[in-house]
Formats: sequence, structure tokens, C-alpha cells
Amino acid sequence: GQQVMQIPQYQHVQEGEDFTTYCNSSTTLSNIQWYKQRPGGHPVFLIQLVKSGEVKKQKRLTFQFGEAKKNSSLHITATQTTDVGTYFCAGYNTNAGKSTFGDGTTLTVKP
Amino acid sequence: DGGITQSPKYLFRKEGQNVTLSCEQNLNHDAMYWYRQDPGQGLRLIYYSQIVNDFQKGDIAEGYSVSREKKESFPLTVTSAQKNPTAFYLCASMGYGYTFGSGTRLTVV
Repeated sequence: GQQVMQIPQYQHVQEGEDFTTYCNSSTTLSNIQWYKQRPGGHPVFLIQLVKSGEVKKQKRLTFQFGEAKKNSSLHITATQTTDVGTYFCAGYNTNAGKSTFGDGTTLTVKP
Repeated sequence: DGGITQSPKYLFRKEGQNVTLSCEQNLNHDAMYWYRQDPGQGLRLIYYSQIVNDFQKGDIAEGYSVSREKKESFPLTVTSAQKNPTAFYLCASMGYGYTFGSGTRLTVV
């Protein structure tokens, strides 16, 4: 079945440093979505990427979808303490009607 | 406001007992999903339903059952056959991305 690998598992940064998490799928994806889960909370949808090579920005967050539609990344510029949480990617397969989530990257930010 | 409502927020189950977790949505979404999350881990799919009166097993369906009699409702029953049910259970519906409920934390006592 479809597998989605996400690295790193944990990332500890000093406030103001950059952060990147990477997502790789074993199969070509219809789209990829990114979610943020704050400690004790539930995942919240951030963005969806559909097109090969697509790049989207949300303030300090930059999302990329690979040319082969099998990998993706989330980059945060100049992290803030409000960025703490676990970031998940989810690769969607239209034929299956479901997504496969990566295991997430947990970000901690030291003030 | 539209969203997903899960209840209860906390649930304690005795050994050998079946329990049902509620999930209701008012987003008019066709597809609904149940995920299980263990501490420090990702989301694993239990069951999903793309339309009323139809549902499919996910990756870890053993010990669980669901029904989808109404578009708005997708309850999950954790049966006594699930030997390690302690986890955080998340219900979601799919529109433009998943919308998740706030979850139910189930503990075996």
C-alpha cells in the first residue's frame, strides 16, 4: 500500500532560526495536504498542493510539491514560539478516496 | 459555525466493554473518516465512508465497527475485541482538506 515518510521526527530550534520538514511518498499523489497540530489539540488544515512543482506561501511558511508529485516540503522562515506543534503531511490518492499521513515532525522553539 | 463535533471528550472503558464514540458534522460533506493517534505518533486510518450507507475498512479496522445511516453522523464503536484501545480518536470530514473534530481520549481502566 501507499506509504508516506516524513523527516525529521523532531526538530528543536532557537527562535528566529529556520525549519524544514520533508515528506516522501512511495507512489505518485493526486495532491498533498499539510496540517498543524498544537500540543493537546487536533490537526488543523494548512494548505493543499495539487500541481507538479507547485509552490505556495503563507506568510513565513513556504510549501513545495515535487515535480514527480511524490515529495513535498514545508519551510518556516524565522520561527516563532507560536510555531510549536507537530506538522503532518497527508498524501491523497483519488482512486482510494483517502489520504495517508506521515508520522509528523514535532517542532519545539526555544525563546 | 460549521464543523465536526465529537463526544465525549474523555471516555473510560472497562475490560470487555464496548463503547461508542460520537461524530457529527454540519458541513454537508459526503466523506467522513476515523483516525487513531497514539502518543507521539501519526494518524492511522480506522474506517472511512464516502457516502451514506457505505463504508470501508482502513489500515487498522480490527476491533472497531462503524455505521453511516445519516450524512451528518459517523459513530465509531470500539469493541472488546480491540485489545489496546487506549488512544486519541479523531473524526474528520473531507471538503477542501480534512476538517477534524476535537477528538475523544479513550482510556481502559
